[in-house]
Amino acid sequence: DVKVTQSSRYLVKRTGEKVFLECVQDMDHENMFWYRQDPGLGLRLIYFSYDVKMKEKGDIPEGYSVSREKKERFSLILESASTNQTSMYLCASSLDGGTVPKLFFGSGTQLSVL
Amino acid sequence: GESVGLHLPTLSVQEGDNSIINCAYSNSASDYFIWYKQESGKGPQFIIDIRSNMDKRQGQRVTVLLNKTVKHLSLQIAATQPGDSAVYFCAENMHQAGTALIFGKGTTLSVSS
Repeated sequence: DVKVTQSSRYLVKRTGEKVFLECVQDMDHENMFWYRQDPGLGLRLIYFSYDVKMKEKGDIPEGYSVSREKKERFSLILESASTNQTSMYLCASSLDGGTVPKLFFGSGTQLSVL
Repeated sequence: GESVGLHLPTLSVQEGDNSIINCAYSNSASDYFIWYKQESGKGPQFIIDIRSNMDKRQGQRVTVLLNKTVKHLSLQIAATQPGDSAVYFCAENMHQAGTALIFGKGTTLSVSS
């Protein structure tokens, strides 16, 4: 089974801090994604990556950046955390070239910015 | 912008009943529509998909229906069980964005025994 591992289940940070959320997948997937999940808003795409060192903006990239130095690892960076970035962050990966765009998700990181 | 949405945020059913979860979408160009299930404390898990050239697909206890005329998608769960209690998301694949999925807002299904 595909395993997508997010480094922290819960994280508490202060406004203005630089925050790193880490995600690792073990199935050699080319594609990796970061979503945030908020009550009543569903999942919204922040950034995604098709390959090492490649990145594409999603629907809500403002205030975030990403890094993909290795195929298995995709990091989400909050340059200067703000309270409106308090949310559940979900990382996902998928195989490139598959018939169905099937995403495999991690368990999420609940980030609280105080 | 284009988005995938759901008709109802919550749905409550009795164990053994059939459940129908609805979703409306706006982008006629999507290739695939996918349903995900998210249990408490977990990430979303793939349930079933349907390609845009189909109107029905069946899985184990689940059926997805696609009506392209009215841009409507539904997930039917037969003989709903307490373990089906979760948040259900529909998602669409915007072909021009590769495999990135656009998700709806979710429906919380509660099953009482």
